[in-house]
Amino acid sequence: GQNIDQPTEMTATEGAIVQINCTYQTSGFNGLFWYQQHAGEAPTFLSYNVLDGLEEKGRFSSFLSRSKGYSYLLLKELQMKDSASYLCAVSRPSGTYKYIFGTGTRLKVLA
Amino acid sequence: EPEVTQTPSHQVTQMGQEVILRCVPISNHLYFYWYRQILGQKVEFLVSFYNNEISEKSEIFDDQFSVERPDGSNFTLKIRSTKLEDSAMYFCASSEAAETQYFGPGTRLLVL
Repeated sequence: GQNIDQPTEMTATEGAIVQINCTYQTSGFNGLFWYQQHAGEAPTFLSYNVLDGLEEKGRFSSFLSRSKGYSYLLLKELQMKDSASYLCAVSRPSGTYKYIFGTGTRLKVLA
Repeated sequence: EPEVTQTPSHQVTQMGQEVILRCVPISNHLYFYWYRQILGQKVEFLVSFYNNEISEKSEIFDDQFSVERPDGSNFTLKIRSTKLEDSAMYFCASSEAAETQYFGPGTRLLVL
């Protein structure tokens, strides 16, 4: 079956660093994506990993270990506007590359 | 920057009525998707569309659902006879290839 797990909620302080973990078990793998979703809005693309290692993009970094079925999203220098849900999604090479989403991690950034 | 657009932003309908949700994908993209998100739940795949036909659909996408690309720019999702449990946010997404999908702002559907 397909399973993607993330913590439900996390809280962090403005200016801090937070790491959001994602573990997955899927039949086939074509990449792992992180999206940010503010309440009532569309998911917005943050990062993409298909090979093992770290991808850095400004304040956001994402790491992937395919052998462990594990990824994390690292957010540095947290700002209040980073309060949102962070969705981990796995793309499978099924011919359509549909995403399977985790339940999302709701991050609250406190002043 | 090109973006996916969706209309309407909100739709309220009576149970049993037909609704059509519209999407304009990014113009050079070839893969199109519909997802839905019931309030408080995760985003779920409904259907993918490539080369003018459905390439994959989920168990949710039963005979009440259909998709169409009527004119080369629009991509529509039709629900023939809505049920209460169809109330959700419906997102359209598109991608150039087997890579990043870009999501539209969504249509919030409420079935009464």
